[in-house]
Order: sequence, then structure tokens, then C-alpha cells
Amino acid sequence: NAGVMQNPRHLVRRRGQEARLRCSPMKGHSHVYWYRQLPEEGLKFMVYLQKENIIDESGMPKERFSAEFPKEGPSILRIQQVVRGDSAAYFCASSPPKQGAYEQYFGPGTRLTVT
Amino acid sequence: GIQVEQSPPDLILQEGANSTLRCNFSDSVNNLQWFHQNPWGQLINLFYIPSGTKQNGRLSATTVATERYSLLYISSSQTTDSGVYFCAVGFTGGGNKLTFGTGTQLKVEL
Repeated sequence: NAGVMQNPRHLVRRRGQEARLRCSPMKGHSHVYWYRQLPEEGLKFMVYLQKENIIDESGMPKERFSAEFPKEGPSILRIQQVVRGDSAAYFCASSPPKQGAYEQYFGPGTRLTVT
Repeated sequence: GIQVEQSPPDLILQEGANSTLRCNFSDSVNNLQWFHQNPWGQLINLFYIPSGTKQNGRLSATTVATERYSLLYISSSQTTDSGVYFCAVGFTGGGNKLTFGTGTQLKVEL
């Protein structure tokens, strides 16, 4: 039973380029969450999605960041025109398709470096 | 405001020692999870424990929701236990997002 998959595991982008981070939830899960860990800081919630719906994006920066979870395929976190301050570890988590609070299972993360 | 506080911030143990890590939270919760972030940066789920007590090998956890704290116990520590331990909380009425504490950095020495 595969866990949460994220790719790529490491991503290097130059300032101004776009970064696309992918997340495939655990089998049977349809709720996806993205968190960011900036250097020397804790993990912060970014966005919560269900299939084809953004449920809570209260932690997303107002500009350059977007997320989607289409009917088919992985969830995508997209960062346009990256800046050095975007360098961080981005973690995806998933939980079962039920209402209410359930355990979130985390992927291995994507480490983004902006040069 | 909503807060999750962990103590101690840093801890150094000799192999074989026991330890207790604490997580205090500021409001009622419907989710509480403990994680170990290993030196390679991976987040390992340890416990899902919004209330009660659970044990898994050398690790156990207790959450007293009415008093707004959770404890993680590590017994007979090993060098592979080194890393950062995070408590993450889902607050009632706050949606499904987790709010993470600042973590406890644990180093286990031979």
C-alpha cells in the first residue's frame, strides 16, 4: 500500500522560473493538504483541497502561488516567477474522504532551491 | 491567538535514557498528531492522538484534551531517535488544517 508520493524530491530553479510540485495521495484518499517548511522555521499550512475543489487556502501567499487537485491525476502546487525566499521544503499530506478531522499522512517532501 | 508550544526546545540524551516531550495548545482540538522529522528531513507519523493514551514499542503518547496538553514518552532512547519531534494540532472549528509547534530537537549520544 503505497504512501503519499511527491515528485520531484529535489528541484532547482533560477529566479523568475516556474516550479511545479506534484503530489499523489495515498490510495483511497481524496483530501490533500500542502505545507511549507522554510529554513529554520516550523511547518506552516498552505492549502487544503478535495477533488476539483479548494476548501481552504488561508495559508497561501496572495501572489504567484496556486494549487489544484483535478478529477484525474495528482495535486499540483505551482509557484510562478520564483524568488529566493521560496526556497523551502514543501510537504503534501492526504487523509480519507470523510468529513471531520482525520489523521493526515505526509509525503517525503520536495526540496525547492531557488538560485 | 491560537498557539502550539513545545518543550523543551532542545534535548541531549545518552543512549538508553528516557525522556518526556510536552505539547501545550491554546484551544479545544479535534486532531493531534506527533511526528518525527529525521535527519534526512522526512516526516514520520508517530501517533494520531486527539485524546487518550497510545503505545507503539518504545514510544507512547498521552493527550489530556480538557487540560490542553499532550506528552510524548521515549524510553530506552537510541541514536536513531535523533531528530526533531513536532506536535501538530487541528483546532475545533478551524477546518482540517494542522498547526505545528516549533518542535523539540533531540540528540541521542552514545
